[in-house]
Amino acid sequence: EVQLLESGGGLVQPGGSLRLSCAASGFTFRSYAMGWVRQAPGKGPEWVSSISGVNGDTYYSGSVRGRFTISRDNSKNTLYLQMNSLRAEDTAVYFCAKGGPGDYVFNWGQGTLVTVSS
Amino acid sequence: EVVLTQSPATLSLSPGERATLSCRASQSVSSYLAWYQQKPGQAPRLLIYDASNRATGVPARFSGSGSGTDFTLTISSLEPEDFAVYYCQQRYNWPPITFGQGTRLEIK
Repeated sequence: EVQLLESGGGLVQPGGSLRLSCAASGFTFRSYAMGWVRQAPGKGPEWVSSISGVNGDTYYSGSVRGRFTISRDNSKNTLYLQMNSLRAEDTAVYFCAKGGPGDYVFNWGQGTLVTVSS
Repeated sequence: EVVLTQSPATLSLSPGERATLSCRASQSVSSYLAWYQQKPGQAPRLLIYDASNRATGVPARFSGSGSGTDFTLTISSLEPEDFAVYYCQQRYNWPPITFGQGTRLEIK
């Protein structure tokens, strides 16, 4: 069974940084692209970033490019999202997603809440 | 970027009734459209992909149709557990994949 467990969310001031992690199990992690999808309160989901499984190609939405960095450690079956220069509009639940930048999301984590506020 | 517009925003029906939800794309997405169900405090759950294919474990009362720019999710006879928010998502033109703003299906 695929399991994705996010951690690292919390309250941060505007301009601050936060690093999210996603521990994956139940599948061959290194063989799959992975990504992050966020959902602001009362809104639809929004794709944020993806990373390929083998060569590490990365993709970002325009709203986070230059501020967020996605990475993975295949030896630890873990996906990361480094978020810098955070803004109020980055406030959302961040979901870890199995799949690439052009995929449907068959598997989601339970989400971790990021709140950007002073 | 493909914009997906869902209608209605809210749909009020009773258990046993038929639900019809719509998703319109700002440009053709062929059949590369999915539907998700989301309940409060949970992640979205994939129901339908490639416009009409049910994901594993999804009951047969859920069906999807359409191609190009107009898509429909139909729930043939509503069960109490079906009342939730539904989102469509396209993967034809990426990045980014995009989602609609959702239809809330509530009990009348």
